[in-house]
Amino acid sequence: RKEVEQDPGPFNVPEGATVAFNCTYSNSASQSFFWYRQDCRKEPKLLMSVYSSGNEDGRFTAQLNRASQYISLLIRDSKLSDSATYLCVVNMRPSGAGSYQLTFGKGTKLSVIP
Amino acid sequence: DTGVSQDPRHKITKRGQNVTFRCDPISEHNRLYWYRQTLGQGPEFLTYFQNEAQLEKSRLLSDRFSAERPKGSFSTLEIQRTEQGDSAMYLCASTPIQGAGTEAFFGQGTRLTVV
Repeated sequence: RKEVEQDPGPFNVPEGATVAFNCTYSNSASQSFFWYRQDCRKEPKLLMSVYSSGNEDGRFTAQLNRASQYISLLIRDSKLSDSATYLCVVNMRPSGAGSYQLTFGKGTKLSVIP
Repeated sequence: DTGVSQDPRHKITKRGQNVTFRCDPISEHNRLYWYRQTLGQGPEFLTYFQNEAQLEKSRLLSDRFSAERPKGSFSTLEIQRTEQGDSAMYLCASTPIQGAGTEAFFGQGTRLTVV
């Protein structure tokens, strides 16, 4: 089982649609959780951190369920500029590792269509 | 520009040659990470440093790969006897001492093509 698993995608949605991404992680002792955004041929950049209480930033809402080891990202009223790959990232100690490290999912590609 | 910088941005090399990449982190950041990313995959952890100490190396990291951070500032990643399978984007990231919720800042990466 991969340490961090995401929806395989791609997601192709019309402008204005609501889209949800899901992510699960393997280590219940994981410390912190993030969504990063990566544009084509660019570096990943932090979109938002994810807290147990859930958090919202404009059109973006992130949720964490520690009991289910599940993270989600909801994008409302999607824009053309939201087209990118969304990476689920967990600060965890992977199996066999000696320390915590940022562990990335494979990413889910989103294309918002006019 | 006070962000993470990587050099070179692109490198094309022949199989069997050695290559070295450089990363300059954000100056006040203690931790420096190297990741590798191939097409359609998320970044894969390679190694990280806290100041000049290399604290973790991925079990997947071949002996042909070595990294240094001699003065706790910039870091180099060397790949010896490159193979076609080494072709990837190599990303460097830095953070302050990592506590819960710490953001990692990435450089623009070095894209390696082994021919």
